[in-house]
Parts: sequence; structure tokens; C-alpha cells
Amino acid sequence: KAGVTQTPRYLIKTRGQQVTLSCSPISGHRSVSWYQQTPGQGLQFLFEYFSETQRNKGNFPGRFSGRQFSNSRSEMNVSTLELGDSALYLCASSRQGAGEAEQYFGPGTRLTVT
Amino acid sequence: GIQVEQSPPDLILQEGANSTLRCNFSDSVNNLQWFHQNPWGQLINLFYIPSGTKQNGRLSATTVATERYSLLYISSSQTTDSGVYFCAVERFGYGQNFVFGPGTRLSVLP
Repeated sequence: KAGVTQTPRYLIKTRGQQVTLSCSPISGHRSVSWYQQTPGQGLQFLFEYFSETQRNKGNFPGRFSGRQFSNSRSEMNVSTLELGDSALYLCASSRQGAGEAEQYFGPGTRLTVT
Repeated sequence: GIQVEQSPPDLILQEGANSTLRCNFSDSVNNLQWFHQNPWGQLINLFYIPSGTKQNGRLSATTVATERYSLLYISSSQTTDSGVYFCAVERFGYGQNFVFGPGTRLSVLP
């Protein structure tokens, strides 16, 4: 079974631009979560989507947004990029049934903002 | 919010040695996972262990939910075990919202 995939793997953007990252979950998984990893803050939760609805949101500014499509694929968008948005963005998926909460992570998108 | 601590922060071992990594958390959880992050950033699932004990080859893990801690044991370590080990927990009623610990950086020397 294919794992979680993320595209693109690497991205370089300029301050003020916007960016869209994509995540395809494992087949049959309905929950998709996004995390940001930086050397200073570690791994932090951004948001979670389930059945096209945002179910949980972390403590990030409104410049960070996301959505989920009917096939469970998800995208996250960051507008008006800042230097501090440079990070590894990780996506995770899970089945989200009883006893099926184990999360599986994709390889990540490494975003550099210059 | 829930606090997750991991110890030690850094660990250097000779190949073949055993080690124990610890994860403490400050509130009740309904999910706990251990991950190994490889040099390319990929988080590799080691254990899904909200309670009890599990073993997978040279690795095993124990979570004592009532005392709010989990242990990851690595036996006969190999250089390929090097990397950062993360513990992540999910609180009751908060959905798929992991809180990660700061990680333990393990270096296994040949």
C-alpha cells in the first residue's frame, strides 16, 4: 500500500509570496493533519481535516490555511510568506476509527523563504 | 496545554550498547506514538502504544498511562539507529492533534 505522499519536496519562495503544499493520504485514511518543524520550535501542530472539515487548529496566524477534498487529499496554503515560515512541513494521515488512530507521516516539504 | 518531556536530550553510544529513552507527559492521553526521524526528515513509525508493552525486533516500548510516562528500549544498537527519536501524544477529546516532545538525539558510533 502506498504511503503518504507530499508535493513538492523542496520549495524556495521569496518574502511576501504565497505557497500551496499538497498531501495525499494513505488510501482509506480520512484524517489529514499538518505539522511545522523548525529548529527553534520543534514539531508543532497546524490543523487537522476530516471529511473535508477542519476539526482542529493549532496556534498559528490566519496566513496559514488548508482544505481537504472529497478524495481526502489535502492542501495547505501560506500567504504573505515571512522568513520565519522557513521550515519542514509534514503531513500525516490516519483512519480515525475506533482503535485506528495511528498516524503515518509523509516525507515532508522543505520550504525556504528568502 | 499538555506538556511532553523527553530525556535524555542527547545520547552517544558505542555500537552494540543498549539504551532507554523516556517520555513524560502531563495529562491523560488516548494516543502515544514513538517515531524515528531519519536524516532526510521522514518520521518513521516505531510504536503506537497508548498503554502496555510492545516489541519489534531490537526495539521495545512500554507505556504506563496511569503514571504518565513511556519508555523506548533499544538493544544492541547499530549505526543505522542514529537520528532523533520523538514521542508524540494526543489528548482525550482533542482529535488528531499530536503534541510532540523535543526529541532525543541518538548517535551510535562504530
